[in-house]
Amino acid sequence: TQLLEQSPQFLSIQEGENLTVYCNSSSVFSSLQWYRQEPGEGPVLLVTVVTGGEVKKLKRLTFQFGDARKDSSLHITAAQPGDTGLYLCAGPFSGGYNKLIFGAGTRLAVHP
Amino acid sequence: EAQVTQNPRYLITVTGKKLTVTCSQNMNHEYMSWYRQDPGLGLRQIYYSMNVEVTDKGDVPEGYKVSRKEKRNFPLILESPSPNQTSLYFCASSVRPPQGYYGYTFGSGTRLTVV
Repeated sequence: TQLLEQSPQFLSIQEGENLTVYCNSSSVFSSLQWYRQEPGEGPVLLVTVVTGGEVKKLKRLTFQFGDARKDSSLHITAAQPGDTGLYLCAGPFSGGYNKLIFGAGTRLAVHP
Repeated sequence: EAQVTQNPRYLITVTGKKLTVTCSQNMNHEYMSWYRQDPGLGLRQIYYSMNVEVTDKGDVPEGYKVSRKEKRNFPLILESPSPNQTSLYFCASSVRPPQGYYGYTFGSGTRLTVV
């Protein structure tokens, strides 16, 4: 069974701090995506990583895909209250039908 | 504006009363999907559609029906809702099936309560 495990589940920090959240699997994924979901809204795609070892930056957010394509991390530098939300990683299911499977998410709260 | 539109946003209904949640996308996407999101269980796929008239079951299809008669619309039908279908529902679309670079565009969600 393909599973994506995210850690930590919850993270509460002060504005200006740095943080890293993780997405791990025992399975190889052809790609991984990161979404952010704000309260009352649907998830919004932040980035897709495809190549093992790939690093992508989106302003203060840095995404990395593991060399073996089994894990990914999201690092936020100098977090701001606007970064508050649920961060979800997702990857294509390799079992023959077409869907993304999602991790349970990391709920981040950034306090002023 | 490119978007996925779901209606209604909130719905409270009684057990057994048929309901439809509508979903429409304006991006000419081939692929559409329904997910439900529950605390501790995350997002689980209900049904998906590869194109017009092509639909298939996801992980949790029991109690739901879908149809794809037009490319832009993908309604979710609950023929006889039960309390265990109380959940937050999301419609999503994608240019192609979710492989490689193709990610989802999600709607804003429908919070359904069945009493």
